[in-house]
Formats: sequence, C-alpha cells, structure tokens
Amino acid sequence: EAGVVQSPRYKIIEKKQPVAFWCNPISGHNTLYWYRQNLGQGPELLIRYENEEAVDDSQLPKDRFSAERLKGVDSTLKIQPAELGDSAVYLCASSRDRSSYEQYFGPGTRLTVT
Amino acid sequence: GQSLEQPSEVTAVEGAIVQINCTYQTSGFYGLSWYQQHDGGAPTFLSYNGLDGLEETGRFSSFLSRSDSYGYLLLQELQMKDSASYFCAVRGGSYIPTFGRGTSLIVHP
Repeated sequence: EAGVVQSPRYKIIEKKQPVAFWCNPISGHNTLYWYRQNLGQGPELLIRYENEEAVDDSQLPKDRFSAERLKGVDSTLKIQPAELGDSAVYLCASSRDRSSYEQYFGPGTRLTVT
Repeated sequence: GQSLEQPSEVTAVEGAIVQINCTYQTSGFYGLSWYQQHDGGAPTFLSYNGLDGLEETGRFSSFLSRSDSYGYLLLQELQMKDSASYFCAVRGGSYIPTFGRGTSLIVHP
C-alpha cells in the first residue's frame, strides 16, 4: 500500500509570508495527525483529525496556523504569516482510527523561515 | 498534561545489547510505543506495549511496567544501521499521543 504522501519536501520563505503544506494519508485511515518537529526534539502534536473533524488542537497556534481536512481524506496545514520560530519539520501521520497504536508518518516538509 | 523522560544519547559497539529507558507521567494511559528515526527520515513504528511485560520483535524488544510508569526498548545484536534516534511515545487520555525528546543511539564498529 502507498504510504503517507507530503508536499512539498522543502520550503524556504521569508518571514511574514504565508506557506501551506499538503498531506495525503494512507487510504482508509480515518485519523490524521500534524506534528511539528524541531531539531533534536520529538514530534509535537499540533492537531488531530478524526475523519473531517478536528480534535486535539490545543497545541495549534490559532492566531497564525490553520488546518483543514477535506472530505476526511487530504489535509492542508497553513501558516500565515510565518515567523522565524516556525522553522521546523512538519510531519503528517495517519492511523486506521484513534485507538490504533501504530502511526504511519510521511517524509515531512522541512520549512526554513528567513 | 503528559511528559516523558529518556536519555539524550546512548553509545554502543556493533554486536552489543543496548537498553533505552523511558519514564512517563500521563493522565490516562493507553499504551507506550517506540519509533525509530534516521537523520532526515520519517519516524517508523517499532513496538507497542499496552499491558505490562515484554514484547519481542526480532532483534528489538520492549518492556512496560504501568505501576512504575516505566518502559524500555532493548536492541540486541546491534548493527551500524541501528544508529538513529529512538522515541518513546505515550497515548494518554482521549488517545492523545505525546512523544519524548528522543535518544540518539550511536553504534561504533
């Protein structure tokens, strides 16, 4: 089966610019996660989707970050405007449902804000 | 809230056995998982413990003691390709996942 697909793989933008990341989860996976991973740190959950419903978004900086999951499949994470501190790897993961303990991660998008 | 503690770095030689410990604090508990991540790569699932005891998967084993809020990952017959970061992750209340800061494993020839 195809894995989790993310694009772009790399993105360099200037601060105050907008940026968007796209994720296509494994087919049939109802739960989708967005994580941010800073260098030398573990993934930090930003938001979790159960089908098209956003749950567990307490760590999402809502003043500048937004996310959506159209029809419970693909998802987009947006930052507007970006700040220097947003430089990180943004990982998308999916699992069959919220009780599944195994998450499948995409390759991530490495964002550099200059 | 949830928090996890694991060593920042462990070194070992090829063929050896290494243990990476993880202690956690969580409100609600639905299991402890372990993930491996090579530099520049995506985390990949290694093992899961929902109940106390040892789970074995090839050269990797994972242990959980819920009463001690403690688990470990055991890697046997270390190979150079095992050099990577290893993360423990706990699923707390409402199945919210929280990852540790990661342990960098360096395997020397």
